Amino acid sequence: EPEVTQTPSHQVTQMGQEVILRCVPISNHLYFYWYRQILGQKVEFLVSFYNNEISEKSEIFDDQFSVERPDGSNFTLKIRSTKLEDSAMYFCASGGLVVLTDTQYFGPGTRLTVL
Amino acid sequence: GQQVMQIPQYQHVQEGEDFTTYCNSSTTLSNIQWYKQRPGGHPVFLIQLVKSGEVKKQKRLTFQFGEAKKNSSLHITATQTTDVGTYFCAGYLVAGNNRKLIWGLGTSLAVNP
Repeated sequence: EPEVTQTPSHQVTQMGQEVILRCVPISNHLYFYWYRQILGQKVEFLVSFYNNEISEKSEIFDDQFSVERPDGSNFTLKIRSTKLEDSAMYFCASGGLVVLTDTQYFGPGTRLTVL
Repeated sequence: GQQVMQIPQYQHVQEGEDFTTYCNSSTTLSNIQWYKQRPGGHPVFLIQLVKSGEVKKQKRLTFQFGEAKKNSSLHITATQTTDVGTYFCAGYLVAGNNRKLIWGLGTSLAVNP
């Protein structure tokens, strides 16, 4: 069964450094998402991406964040200058035909630790 | 701002007992989705409810969407240890050009064998 994959599984970085989190969505899906989950807390929507552009973004997704689909398979989340409060699990998800109202398949997540 | 409240935050049951988690939104939702997250795992989509008053069943799980599309519930009959995890609701709402998927805080279910 196709699945969403994410790399790395764990990223440790120093405050102020840039990080890029990578995802490979399910190949025939049209919508891609990033979420974050601070340990023990709720899942928070960051951004959705369709047709090579952002379709929705939350208040969390400020100028420090950017997303890209650099080729036909990868979907990346970049955090330009990490802060301590960016430490969280970051989940990528992909979905089929309709943004936010279709089944979303989540990847296993990347745990980001900012020191 | 818009919120989705989910209660209870934790529930501890004996295997075989029933379990219910409730979601309430401050605004009318276009649809509501339910996810399950096992400890250390990622959210897994369970179901989506769209229509007012909709009820859907998946084996021992029953999902309801309120008539006003502001609340929803997930009921598990005769819990098993495999039901352990955190259950999240996520409400989809549209306000003008703004579309959001707002997640509840989740209900963590522990099942004693």
